[in-house]
Amino acid sequence: SAVISQKPSRDICQRGTSLTIQCQVDSQVTMMFWYRQQPGQSLTLIATANQGSEATYESGFVIDKFPISRPNLTFSTLTVSNMSPEDSSIYLCSVAESLSYEQYFGPGTRLTVT
Amino acid sequence: SQQGEEDPQALSIQEGENATMNCSYKTSINNLQWYRQNSGRGLVHLILIRSNEREKHSGRLRVTLDTSKKSSSLLITASRAADTASYFCATDANSGYALNFGKGTSLLVTP
Repeated sequence: SAVISQKPSRDICQRGTSLTIQCQVDSQVTMMFWYRQQPGQSLTLIATANQGSEATYESGFVIDKFPISRPNLTFSTLTVSNMSPEDSSIYLCSVAESLSYEQYFGPGTRLTVT
Repeated sequence: SQQGEEDPQALSIQEGENATMNCSYKTSINNLQWYRQNSGRGLVHLILIRSNEREKHSGRLRVTLDTSKKSSSLLITASRAADTASYFCATDANSGYALNFGKGTSLLVTP
C-alpha cells in the first residue's frame, strides 16, 4: 500500500486566517481525496482531488472555502480559508488503489481554530 | 452523507474475549471496508470485502457481508488491550471510489 504523509500534523490557528495542508504519496496514484472529521464524529468527504483539473466537491463544501490543488499524481494540498472555530477538525487525505479499490489514509492534520 | 451505521456505538470487553461490531448501509455497494482509528489519529485499513463475497478473514479479523440485508459484521477474536480503538465501516456507492463512513464503534478492551 502507498505511504502517505501530511504536513503539518497539527496546528492552532486564529479565526480569519487560512491554513494549507499538504499531502504527499510515495507512489503515483490516480484517486486522491480529502476528508474532514469533526470532534467526536465520523469522516465526511470534502472533495476528490483531480490531477490537472478542478476538484470535485461534495454537497456542503465549496471551492472558495476549501481550495484544493493537485499538480501531479503524488501531491495535493487542501487550504482551509477564513477559518472559524467550526473548522476545528482532523483533515485527512486518502488515496485509492485503482484496481483493488482499497483506500488508505494519511495520518491526518489536527486543526484547532481559536 | 453518511450511509453506514455501526452498532453498538460503544463496546467494552475483557482481553481474550471476542468483539463483534455490526454495520448497516442503505444503498447498493461495490465494496465495504473496515478501518481502525486510535485516539483521533489516522485511519488504519483493516479489510475490504467485495459485494460478491460473503466472508473474509485476516489474522484475528473476520468480516461478513450480507448484501440482501445491507449489513456487515466485524469480528475480532481473542481481543487484546491494543485493539482498543474506534472502528468504522465505509462503503463506496456504485458511482465510484469515494467512501461514505458510518458513525463508528468505540471498542474498549480491558486487561
